[in-house]
Amino acid sequence: GAVVSQHPSRVICKSGTSVKIECRSLDFQATTMFWYRQFPKQSLMLMATSNEGSKATYEQGVEKDKFLINHASLTLSTLTVTSAHPEDSSFYICSALKGPMNTGELFFGEGSRLTVL
Amino acid sequence: QKEVEQDPGPLSVPEGAIVSLNCTYSNSAFQYFMWYRQYSRKGPELLMYTYSSGNKEDGRFTAQVDKSSKYISLFIRDSQPSDSATYLCAMRLGGSQGNLIFGKGTKLSVKP
Repeated sequence: GAVVSQHPSRVICKSGTSVKIECRSLDFQATTMFWYRQFPKQSLMLMATSNEGSKATYEQGVEKDKFLINHASLTLSTLTVTSAHPEDSSFYICSALKGPMNTGELFFGEGSRLTVL
Repeated sequence: QKEVEQDPGPLSVPEGAIVSLNCTYSNSAFQYFMWYRQYSRKGPELLMYTYSSGNKEDGRFTAQVDKSSKYISLFIRDSQPSDSATYLCAMRLGGSQGNLIFGKGTKLSVKP
């Protein structure tokens, strides 16, 4: 299967700082990538849809000024958590769509665990 | 009522057992049904993908969709310790892949 790389896998930061997480599709081009958040023992919740060359689409309740998404190339999307607070501590996962929107397959990164002190 | 319900477990079985994992859902318009496996602190990987009702088999894994009952299942035959992971069901309407709705996942442990 296709490979999606996510970096860093784990990050610890102080409250008030910003953290950038990268999501790369290594062997295919992805016009669309998705960012999710997963709390312990909870399901993945879609945060936003990242579209190459255009603004991301955020789900209801997700602050776009806090979670900045940039999809500058067909193989890279970044999520920046700005002014992080302890309640932002979570497991963040990206996925990249290979193929058409309706019938393509999603490939997930390995996730990034963020701990805000 | 949540859109997708999945018993979080944990579920512990001996090696070789047949495992049955299930999800129920409330939206009868869901058309695409998937099962993902997620190892600890890793991203999910797609196991099975089914469109509409019916059965699909792939090796030791069988996925069943019963749209009339709004119930989907994943069966694992001859379970192995390497099958120990969290299994998430997911489903969506037609259209954007971003509308994928996940269950909470069932944590499975297969004991040697």
